[in-house]
Amino acid sequence: DQQVKQNSPSLSVQEGRISILNCDYTNSMFDYFLWYKKYPAEGPTFLISISSIKDKNEDGRFTVFLNKSAKHLSLHIVPSQPGDSAVYFCAASKTGGYNKLIFGAGTRLAVHP
Amino acid sequence: GAGVSQSPRYKVAKRGQDVALRCDPISGHVSLFWYQQALGQGPEFLTYFQNEAQLDKSGLPSDRFFAERPEGSVSTLKIQRTQQEDSAVYLCASSQGPGINNEQFFGPGTRLTVL
Repeated sequence: DQQVKQNSPSLSVQEGRISILNCDYTNSMFDYFLWYKKYPAEGPTFLISISSIKDKNEDGRFTVFLNKSAKHLSLHIVPSQPGDSAVYFCAASKTGGYNKLIFGAGTRLAVHP
Repeated sequence: GAGVSQSPRYKVAKRGQDVALRCDPISGHVSLFWYQQALGQGPEFLTYFQNEAQLDKSGLPSDRFFAERPEGSVSTLKIQRTQQEDSAVYLCASSQGPGINNEQFFGPGTRLTVL
């Protein structure tokens, strides 16, 4: 039973354009969401997060949007750069606990010149 | 460096062998997590320590999996009588504390291959 789903295994985008990565969740108890970025042979690194009390959080080129009614979030990268090429994981958690993360299967982003 | 380190980075085991995977968290981090990442999947939670106390082991797939953190720093994940389905990358993460505002820092993982 996948509680966090990333339905697109891969995405290819031209440098300078917008990358949009999507994530859906099923557990309405989740109230904190994160995006992690992973390069080959490295561990995931934190990118950006959003609490369920917000619908948008922005950090430089990265913006995360949350639609609670649809149980959907998305990560926008503008403008995309070749160094953004990596696997992106969406993760969800519940406040009040110890921050156990539930991850999606990941989306491999390729940004080409 | 000051990050989370894991050893070995790669481990090949014959089916039925026991293995031990080590995690050195960031110094002073109270919280330590183990995750298992199968090929093509996202990391899946295995177990959680707060200092030396194992507060959640609900993700351990069977009683062949055992984790410890006896002094509240280094942690070891042990898998007894390895099976082919145990082949995965095992990730360790640590954070300053248990709350959601505490970022989890991941190590590079140990890739276990069971033949």
